[in-house]
Amino acid sequence: GAVVSQHPSWVICKSGTSVKIECRSLDFQATTMFWYRQFPKQSLMLMATSNEGSKATYEQGVEKDKFLINHASLTLSTLTVTSAHPEDSSFYICSARDRPGSTDTQYFGPGTRLTVL
Amino acid sequence: TQLLEQSPQFLSIQEGENLTVYCNSSSVFSSLQWYRQEPGEGPVLLVTVVTGGEVKKLKRLTFQFGDARKDSSLHITAAQPGDTGLYLCAGAKLGSNYQLIWGAGTKLIIKP
Repeated sequence: GAVVSQHPSWVICKSGTSVKIECRSLDFQATTMFWYRQFPKQSLMLMATSNEGSKATYEQGVEKDKFLINHASLTLSTLTVTSAHPEDSSFYICSARDRPGSTDTQYFGPGTRLTVL
Repeated sequence: TQLLEQSPQFLSIQEGENLTVYCNSSSVFSSLQWYRQEPGEGPVLLVTVVTGGEVKKLKRLTFQFGDARKDSSLHITAAQPGDTGLYLCAGAKLGSNYQLIWGAGTKLIIKP
């Protein structure tokens, strides 16, 4: 149980284009999903917290107009990198947790490698 | 600001040796998770510890949560090359949304 999928697993795009990444909880309903960014050989950096049906909460320094997050259902959250530039190239990972009342555990997707040319 | 200090950041040892990774904080966590991550993949949950003083074992891995729920350790006995990877600890903040405070990670290499 507790499987989280991400799509696509990797994407290469031209500078200035927008890229959408999907995060799905496959066998449980996730009231809260998290989006992370990870640079090589570093730990995870939280970008935003997404609650189903409400606006995402962004961490300090993360541009909400550039990284659009939508959590339209209990099993799907999307991250759209708008007008992507080479500096946005990174490994993006989502995670999801169960409904309130469960443990604090987050289950992670396999990640999406974004390369902006 | 809550911080979770993880050490060592890098460890390279021979197969068969034992090792311990530490995560320490001045803050109290409601729970603490240990993850292992392979290159190009998302973190995979190893264990969640919730109770102060709790000890959990996963084959050759032993996880301990400090009595005050501020620190945790991961001990690997007789390490094997298959244990190679990035180990991450993450503490759950007290309060809403269950955000995790992440350690910097320990890059572990087990040489055959």
